[in-house]
Amino acid sequence: NAGVTQTPKFQVLKTGQSMTLQCAQDMNHEYMSWYRQDPGMGLRLIHYSVGAGITDQGEVPNGYNVSRSTTEDFPLRLLSAAPSQTSVYFCASSYGAGGIQETQYFGPGTRLLVL
Amino acid sequence: ILNVEQSPQSLHVQEGDSTNFTCSFPSSNFYALHWYRWETAKSPEALFVMTLNGDEKKKGRISATLNTKEGYSYLYIKGSQPEDSATYLCAFPVTGNQFYFGTGTSLTVIP
Repeated sequence: NAGVTQTPKFQVLKTGQSMTLQCAQDMNHEYMSWYRQDPGMGLRLIHYSVGAGITDQGEVPNGYNVSRSTTEDFPLRLLSAAPSQTSVYFCASSYGAGGIQETQYFGPGTRLLVL
Repeated sequence: ILNVEQSPQSLHVQEGDSTNFTCSFPSSNFYALHWYRWETAKSPEALFVMTLNGDEKKKGRISATLNTKEGYSYLYIKGSQPEDSATYLCAFPVTGNQFYFGTGTSLTVIP
């Protein structure tokens, strides 16, 4: 199993550009989520999904869109990048739709710099 | 926004020392408390999921306890080794599968 994979590993964007961060898992996990990690702050939940076709907002959803058309993939879209979105982004997944008591498995992260 | 606090923020110990750190969380509406270990340049890896008051879990030299009534969990490392150097995170899930992470305790074990 590859586990949770993320692409790209690193990206530089200009303000106003759009891009999609890819996340895929091959463990047949129902629950997937996106976090951002900023210096001095804990991981903050952006969006999450409890199954294909079902998504919901986390703590910091503004400026980001998600969709979940398959169990395996959970892309994160930045529609118009802003410098405040410079961060490291982690995708995670866990078994079952009720993720509260399930271990989350994290991807390797995508480092994004918005100029 | 929910407050999950970890202390201390950072810790330096000598190899062989035992150490512990704390995660504090709201004591109402408790579902679970997760501990993760995060090494530099890697992604967080799960250590424990704790669900019951009084829970005590152990993995090798690392153990954790849980007090849901007062809203805290302790992580203990016995006989610290350089490979234990990492940031230790706790995460508190709430209704709707939302997780709130603490800012972590950064542990450095000096050989």
